[in-house]
Amino acid sequence: NAGVTQTPKFQVLKTGQSMTLQCAQDMNHNSMYWYRQDPGMGLRLIYYSASEGTTDKGEVPNGYNVSRLNKREFSLRLESAAPSQTSVYFCASSEVATRDQPQHFGDGTRLSIL
Amino acid sequence: AQSVTQLGSHVSVSEGALVLLRCNYSSSVPPYLFWYVQYPNQGLQLLLKYTTGATLVKGINGFEAEFKKSETSFHLTKPSAHMSDAAEYFCAVSDWVDTGNQFYFGTGTSLTVIP
Repeated sequence: NAGVTQTPKFQVLKTGQSMTLQCAQDMNHNSMYWYRQDPGMGLRLIYYSASEGTTDKGEVPNGYNVSRLNKREFSLRLESAAPSQTSVYFCASSEVATRDQPQHFGDGTRLSIL
Repeated sequence: AQSVTQLGSHVSVSEGALVLLRCNYSSSVPPYLFWYVQYPNQGLQLLLKYTTGATLVKGINGFEAEFKKSETSFHLTKPSAHMSDAAEYFCAVSDWVDTGNQFYFGTGTSLTVIP
């Protein structure tokens, strides 16, 4: 049972470099999400996709772009990485974008920007 | 907007003792509430959820939580702590915004279990 798969698991970038974080789910879920987790701040939503073909900004979208490639895949791109984007990034999915649906998380991508 | 406050960023209990992790929420509509657990270097796993109905919710690994509207609380408990319970715990509330559902997470409580 793969669930939500994120690649890569670890990455080190230099300031100004670009990178795409990949996420794929095999649960036939309609909704997908990207979060960042920073010490003492919990998880904050970056972008989400309620359904295939739609994307919307979350709480902290600046410096990021997303693509919902198909129903399974939802990627997060950093165009010009900054040290403030050093974080652990989590992708999540839910069956539908309703309030009672839990979200299922991947194991995260640990990103360091020097 | 909804919000969640977790009192106590670090909690230590002895093995076999009661676990109590606190969560208070702010919501303008009837809340849907969740508890997640995160083990080191892993993603979040759902422990339990409250949507409607019974206010005492049972989850996995012997955890349960009680929704108390009058206190705007959703505290997580376990009668007897086990070493394997050592992890980070997050409370979350869901909200509907324009085009979809969003979760708002607390800042987390790190649970240490002392042998």
